[in-house]
Amino acid sequence: AIHLTQSPSSLSASVGDSVTITCRASQGIKSELAWYQQKPGNVPKLLISDASSLKSGVPSRFSGRASGTDFTLTISSLQPEDFATYYCQQFNSFPLTFGGGTKVEVK
Amino acid sequence: QVQLVESGGGVVQPGRSLRLSCAASGFTFRTSGMHWVRQAPGKGPEWVAVISYDGTKKDYADSVKGRFTISRDNSKNALSLQLNSLKPEDTAIYYCAKDFGGGYVPYYFDHWGQGALVTVSA
Repeated sequence: AIHLTQSPSSLSASVGDSVTITCRASQGIKSELAWYQQKPGNVPKLLISDASSLKSGVPSRFSGRASGTDFTLTISSLQPEDFATYYCQQFNSFPLTFGGGTKVEVK
Repeated sequence: QVQLVESGGGVVQPGRSLRLSCAASGFTFRTSGMHWVRQAPGKGPEWVAVISYDGTKKDYADSVKGRFTISRDNSKNALSLQLNSLKPEDTAIYYCAKDFGGGYVPYYFDHWGQGALVTVSA
């Protein structure tokens, strides 16, 4: 199974900050990676597919990049509604796997 | 709009069985792959199983293989998960999730239900 390592596991930031979350795959997965946002008590919400393709309705302050087996999610100007936990997920092969999550907290 | 509504969760003793259902609407169910994804309390999501749009392909996480069975009824827009030989570590919210494609190749989840809580405890 492909293992995804997310870092950091948590971070503290303020409104207006730019934050970057990293997801490293244990083997090559091309661009077959998605990012989800989950708020407490809520269902995961798809933000980005294919490493960098922003889904409809997702604010443009979210962006994704791929470089080899390293993937990043950047929030360019953190808004109050962005404090949440973020997960990456690979869809290169079964079993589908998720990263361990990154919790973005208020500083 | 896409709606996925799970039912059938509850408290069950170790070794017993449970059946989860998911009622789908708002999209063409018969052309969509479907998944079950679970999330243990305080943990990240874990993929459980996939079924192709026509029901001919099924795949499972190693942790549930041989114990859980995914199935679908396209005439009723319904997805099911039969959970047998339950263990305490199966305790989680179980989400029904729509595949972006037909379920034959790996993809991501573009819609999720609200989930059904399964608690395995003596």
